[in-house]
Amino acid sequence: GAVVSQHPSRVICKSGTSVKIECRSLDFQATTMFWYRQFPKQSLMLMATSNEGSKATYEQGVEKDKFLINHASLTLSTLTVTSAHPEDSSFYICSARDSAKNSNQPQHFGDGTRLSIL
Amino acid sequence: GNSVTQMEGPVTLSEEAFLTINCTYTATGYPSLFWYVQYPGEGLQLLLKATKADDKGSNKGFEATYRKETTSFHLEKGSVQVSDSAVYFCALSVFYNQGGKLIFGQGTELSVKP
Repeated sequence: GAVVSQHPSRVICKSGTSVKIECRSLDFQATTMFWYRQFPKQSLMLMATSNEGSKATYEQGVEKDKFLINHASLTLSTLTVTSAHPEDSSFYICSARDSAKNSNQPQHFGDGTRLSIL
Repeated sequence: GNSVTQMEGPVTLSEEAFLTINCTYTATGYPSLFWYVQYPGEGLQLLLKATKADDKGSNKGFEATYRKETTSFHLEKGSVQVSDSAVYFCALSVFYNQGGKLIFGQGTELSVKP
């Protein structure tokens, strides 16, 4: 089945560091990918929609200069948390949908990245 | 606006008990409905889906029926196992005017005891 690979699975770093998270669709192309954030024991909050070849669309309240998104190819989107601080610690999850299939097809999720800022 | 409401957890059941997790939604247009499952420390896996009214999604013994008249998509399983312990998320997507993004309920944690 469709597979989305997310890397790294866990990051621990010092405050002020910038962290890049990759999301790859392994066996399909995705013109659109989605980035979510999940706090402990809470639901997923959509942060932004990543669009191949154009700017990402950010949800209200999400700082686009803080969370940089680049969708450089049909199989790769990256999320960079710039100058991360402890309040950015969270579980970040990406998802993608096969562009070749109709819009009724579900999104496929990566396994998530646990980000811990010290 | 579009939203999803799930019953609050945690839900604790004994093995082989009957499971129901309630989910209701509010949506403009004609949403598709999904149940996703999240095991500890992992991402989300699609459990089942329904794309139009009266559709029944089913997988691994779980079922949910898209009820437009009650705007509901309740998840059921006749006999749960310890391995079903996870967090379950109900979600909707209105593709044509929202770019396919998913809106999730708050999640319901299920704990099945032997």
